[in-house]
Amino acid sequence: GDSVTQTEGQVALSEEDFLTIHCNYSASGYPALFWYVQYPGEGPQFLFRASRDKEKGSSRGFEATYDKGTTSFHLRKASVQESDSAVYYCALGPYTGNYKYVFGAGTRLKVIA
Amino acid sequence: GPKVLQIPSHQIIDMGQMVTLNCDPVSNHLYFYWYKQILGQQMEFLVNFYNGKVMEKSKLFKDQFSVERPDGSYFTLKIQPTALEDSAVYFCASSGRTGGAREQYFGPGTRLTVL
Repeated sequence: GDSVTQTEGQVALSEEDFLTIHCNYSASGYPALFWYVQYPGEGPQFLFRASRDKEKGSSRGFEATYDKGTTSFHLRKASVQESDSAVYYCALGPYTGNYKYVFGAGTRLKVIA
Repeated sequence: GPKVLQIPSHQIIDMGQMVTLNCDPVSNHLYFYWYKQILGQQMEFLVNFYNGKVMEKSKLFKDQFSVERPDGSYFTLKIQPTALEDSAVYFCASSGRTGGAREQYFGPGTRLTVL
């Protein structure tokens, strides 16, 4: 079945550090790819998406580029802030004949001031 | 932004009892979802519901689970009977667009504790 792999379970950074969270996917179709962010006690919040190869999604200084060749959608931010501390989920979404979303295991980001 | 509400926020019940989790989705949304998240673990898809029907469900969506949205009111997840392994946070989500890349809006979750 379809799957999403996030390499890092936890990431600890200092403010203004560069962030990369790796996301690789496997799907039998051509899915949309998403990043969500979850703060303690809340449900995940949509960050951004990309629907086709080479498309870049971005929001709040975060960005990721859909790479069909390497089946990746890595999350990056040039300069993190303490308020970015949260759990980040990569997900793949529906495509023809499939209505299911598949989430990665999540990456817990802790930013130290 | 659009809000999804979930009632109750926390439910404690004895194993074998029935429980209904309620979700008030974004008003013009058409697609509805339930996810299960055991503490510290990843979000697991349970079911997708559209136009009064289950479109897709996962292996976690056991026979004891059912969903419905009667007359456009709450979207509900019913578990009957409950088991200890059903203890988790259940998230409801909704999305509006027909086809293509649909972002989901999530509620704050219902923490279910089965004793």
